[in-house]
Amino acid sequence: EVQLVESGGGLVKPGGSLRLSCAASGFTFSSYSMNWVRQAPGKGLEWVSSISSSSSYIYYADSVKGRFTISRDNAKNSLYLQMNSLRAEDTAVYYCAREEGTVTTGPYDDYWGQGTLVTVSS
Amino acid sequence: SYELTQPLSVSVALGQTARITCGGNNIGSKNVHWYQQKPGQAPVLVIYRDSNRPSGIPERFSGSNSGNTATLTISRAQAGDEADYYCQVWDSSTAWHVVFGGGTKLTVL
Repeated sequence: EVQLVESGGGLVKPGGSLRLSCAASGFTFSSYSMNWVRQAPGKGLEWVSSISSSSSYIYYADSVKGRFTISRDNAKNSLYLQMNSLRAEDTAVYYCAREEGTVTTGPYDDYWGQGTLVTVSS
Repeated sequence: SYELTQPLSVSVALGQTARITCGGNNIGSKNVHWYQQKPGQAPVLVIYRDSNRPSGIPERFSGSNSGNTATLTISRAQAGDEADYYCQVWDSSTAWHVVFGGGTKLTVL
């Protein structure tokens, strides 16, 4: 059974940092690209960042570029999101998701974790 | 940047058919995916590549995509189908590629 379990969320002051983790199990983690998607309270889904299976390709939304860093450790079956210079508008539930498909067919997220809440407030 | 437009809300009577649209420029040339999200829960993939259902998703869920509109159709709507639904595409013309629609709240009356 595919499982994705996020951790590391919490309350942080504006300008602070936080590192999110996502522990994966039930599939060959090193074979899949992974994504972080967030959802602000009462709002829709917003893609944050993607990383390919071998970390060769990394993408960020403009809203987090230069402040967030996605990474992975295939030996530990883990995905990470280092978040620096946090702002109030970064307050959201952060989901990790497994990406299926190719750029030719259009990738999609077939499994999602339950999310971890990040609150940026003074 | 590429944009996807969804109605804020759709209502359907119990047992009837609900249709949720997702508009985008020439969206018919892209593969569209749909997610269902119930309150307090993570999104769940219900349709991928326009019209394919993942295992475990009822046949009542179907999808189509043509021209400038993709449509998620839910037949014989049940109370348990009440949720937010999001469409999503991968667009090579944007720097970040992944685009979500704004979401549609489905109410089953």
